[in-house]
Amino acid sequence: AQSVAQPEDQVNVAEGNPLTVKCTYSVSGNPYLFWYVQYPNRGLQFLLKYITGDNLVKGSYGFEAEFNKSQTSFHLKKPSALVSDSALYFCAVRDYQNTDKLIFGTGTRLQVFP
Amino acid sequence: EAQVTQNPRYLITVTGKKLTVTCSQNMNHEYMSWYRQDPGLGLRQIYYSMNVEVTDKGDVPEGYKVSRKEKRNFPLILESPSPNQTSLYFCASSFRGSGQPQHFGDGTRLSIL
Repeated sequence: AQSVAQPEDQVNVAEGNPLTVKCTYSVSGNPYLFWYVQYPNRGLQFLLKYITGDNLVKGSYGFEAEFNKSQTSFHLKKPSALVSDSALYFCAVRDYQNTDKLIFGTGTRLQVFP
Repeated sequence: EAQVTQNPRYLITVTGKKLTVTCSQNMNHEYMSWYRQDPGLGLRQIYYSMNVEVTDKGDVPEGYKVSRKEKRNFPLILESPSPNQTSLYFCASSFRGSGQPQHFGDGTRLSIL
């Protein structure tokens, strides 16, 4: 069965420092991977996706993610964190059998301190 | 503005009193889906619809119903709500096809007493 794991419930980082939010996946076939962000009292917003091609994917708000097939990982990164990046981040993978369906991780809360 | 609109945003009600959460999208998306979000569990799919009059169960469908009579609307119905359905609910929509990002509403927080 397809799944994604986000091993950290919370990540704390100082403003201006680089940030990484971790995600590992388990899928049948080639993975279609996504990152979403959820701000307080709002729905999830799409950040970026990997389908094929370059292992480094660039997305919204200066975020990027690195696909690593050998480590089955898709970590979200940003070179310089902002306080406004504080939010809940979800990794997701396309369901192999129901290809419109996304399977979400449990989420990682990012806290950026001034 | 492209959006998914859910109503109500907040609802406190009692066990057994039927309720409907509406969801409407203005992007002509074929695919629509309902999720519930619970702490430590992420988002779990309740029901989905691939197009008008085509709906199917997700991972946690018990206690819920849906309908898709029009492309833009996908209401979630709780015919006899119970306290274990207290949760944060999201509606989402997308075009069909692998890799299409889903667009989410702002959520409905339901409390069943």
